[in-house]
Amino acid sequence: GDSVTQMEGPVTLSEEAFLTINCTYTATGYPSLFWYVQYPGEGLQLLLKATKADDKGSNKGFEATYRKETTSFHLEKGSVQVSDSAVYFCALITQTGANNLFFGTGTRLTVIP
Amino acid sequence: SAVISQKPSRDICQRGTSLTIQCQVDSQVTMMFWYRQQPGQSLTLIATANQGSEATYESGFVIDKFPISRPNLTFSTLTVSNMSPEDSSIYLCSVVRPPNEQFFGPGTRLTVL
Repeated sequence: GDSVTQMEGPVTLSEEAFLTINCTYTATGYPSLFWYVQYPGEGLQLLLKATKADDKGSNKGFEATYRKETTSFHLEKGSVQVSDSAVYFCALITQTGANNLFFGTGTRLTVIP
Repeated sequence: SAVISQKPSRDICQRGTSLTIQCQVDSQVTMMFWYRQQPGQSLTLIATANQGSEATYESGFVIDKFPISRPNLTFSTLTVSNMSPEDSSIYLCSVVRPPNEQFFGPGTRLTVL
């Protein structure tokens, strides 16, 4: 079945460090891939997305590239800020069947000054 | 994008009681989804709510415990029945807009004593 495997946290980084959060997926067909972010005390927000192979999603300095050959969608940011502290969820929607999201387990990022 | 509101935003309830959560969307959508996010966990799909038909429940969730209404294309309710402390979670509704982008409400934080 469809699933998302996400790098376990928590992750603690110093400000301006490089961030990578790994995400790999298993899906039938050609899924759309997403990263969602949940800031402390807030709801889930879409961070970025990619709908086909080799697409790169980007937003707020974060990037992720849809790699069909490695079934991956790793999240990266070159220089994290304290305000990036949040929980990050990788997710997919399959092109077949129902249009609901499959989520990874989430990775908690804490950025310290 | 989609503007989604939920009521209540949070509640504290006694064991054995029931709570109905409302979800309102700013425009018509075919499919609405209800998710649960238990403390420190990822999101789990409870059910898919289609207007004019019974909700479709995921494995582990039943209609008697989580009855859902979908009276029109902009509104849905989820009831958490006969609550126990294990039901303490954040409950989120979401909708899908083309092309396969899912938007979430702010969530309802439920604590059962």
